[in-house]
Amino acid sequence: SQTIHQWPATLVQPVGSPLSLECTVEGTSNPNLYWYRQAAGRGLQLLFYSVGIGQISSEVPQNLSASRPQDRQFILSSKKLLLSDSGFYLCAWKPGGPRPEQFFGPGTRLTVL
Amino acid sequence: AQSVTQLDSQVPVFEEAPVELRCNYSSSVSVYLFWYVQYPNQGLQLLLKYLSGSTLVKGINGFEAEFNKSQTSFHLRKPSVHISDTAEYFCAVSPNTGGFKTIFGAGTRLFVKA
Repeated sequence: SQTIHQWPATLVQPVGSPLSLECTVEGTSNPNLYWYRQAAGRGLQLLFYSVGIGQISSEVPQNLSASRPQDRQFILSSKKLLLSDSGFYLCAWKPGGPRPEQFFGPGTRLTVL
Repeated sequence: AQSVTQLDSQVPVFEEAPVELRCNYSSSVSVYLFWYVQYPNQGLQLLLKYLSGSTLVKGINGFEAEFNKSQTSFHLRKPSVHISDTAEYFCAVSPNTGGFKTIFGAGTRLFVKA
């Protein structure tokens, strides 16, 4: 069966510090991968998605970036965090075939102080 | 392009009462439809999905939803809720033309009271 991992689970960072969140998927190959952000009490905002290694599509201009160095690894980064980067970050994957549903990781709670 | 509107941001209901969470969508192409549930500080879990066929779909935890193409709706129902159903519920659509993205609604907070 497939599983998706995210770490860390929680993170408290000062403004201006760098960020690296990691997501890995097990039990599948060539998945589509996604990063979402969920601000407090709000819906999901798609940040990035990837259909293959090194292929990143950005949905929202901001100070975040994403990379996919391996087939089942997706990393969200920032060089300098802003207060507005606080939120709940969710990684998701979708099978590369016809199945349309996405499956979500447990999330990372980021607080920028 | 697609959009999803969840008509209620919060729904309070007493335990063992029925509940309906409303979802309307807009799309120029045919879509797949989903409901996800999110418990506090957790990721989203797929409740149910409509891909094709019968318009009434059953999911986990006793939930069901009905696809109404003419009204472009996909309302979620449960005949008797439990305290443990307290969570955020998200309606979502994805084009059935093989697109990569899923569009999520803003969410409905279901609060079940004793």
